[in-house]
Amino acid sequence: EPEVTQTPSHQVTQMGQEVILRCVPISNHLYFYWYRQILGQKVEFLVSFYNNEISEKSEIFDDQFSVERPDGSNFTLKIRSTKLEDSAMYFCASRDSASGTQYFGPGTRLLVL
Amino acid sequence: GEDVEQSLFLSVREGDSSVINCTYTDSSSTYLYWYKQEPGAGLQLLTYIFSNMDMKQDQRLTVLLNKKDKHLSLRIADTQTGDSAIYFCAETTTGGGNKLTFGTGTQLKVEL
Repeated sequence: EPEVTQTPSHQVTQMGQEVILRCVPISNHLYFYWYRQILGQKVEFLVSFYNNEISEKSEIFDDQFSVERPDGSNFTLKIRSTKLEDSAMYFCASRDSASGTQYFGPGTRLLVL
Repeated sequence: GEDVEQSLFLSVREGDSSVINCTYTDSSSTYLYWYKQEPGAGLQLLTYIFSNMDMKQDQRLTVLLNKKDKHLSLRIADTQTGDSAIYFCAETTTGGGNKLTFGTGTQLKVEL
């Protein structure tokens, strides 16, 4: 069964460094998403992406964040200058257009020191 | 804005039924979902219901939707220790980016 994959599974970085989180969505899906979950808190929407552009973003998704689909398979989230409060689990999801259902990857746990 | 609320904890004995409840505020919600998260793992889609349905059954899982009260529930029959996890309800509306708004999550503990 096709699934969403994410790399790396864990990332430790120093405050102020740039990180790129990678996702490979399910191949015939057209809508892609990033969410994050700070430890012990709700899963929060960051951004949705369709047809090579952002379709919606949350207040969290400020100028430090960017997304890109650099080729036909990858979908990336870049955090330009990480802050301590960016430490969280970051989930990528892709959406089946027929059912509207979002399928999630296993997540990348980001720790900013 | 949209808000989704759940109780934080539920403890049941193995073999009993579990009922996890969720309330939401967005009356334009079109799809409502239940996801399961095991410790350290991602979000596994369990089931979903379209807003024009009252009930959906899928093996041990039964979803009930009361659209008037904006109340969603997930019943797990014959609960097993492997069902211990955090269960999130989520809602979405059509249009825009179709983002999911998640509840706080309910930690289900299944005791022997």
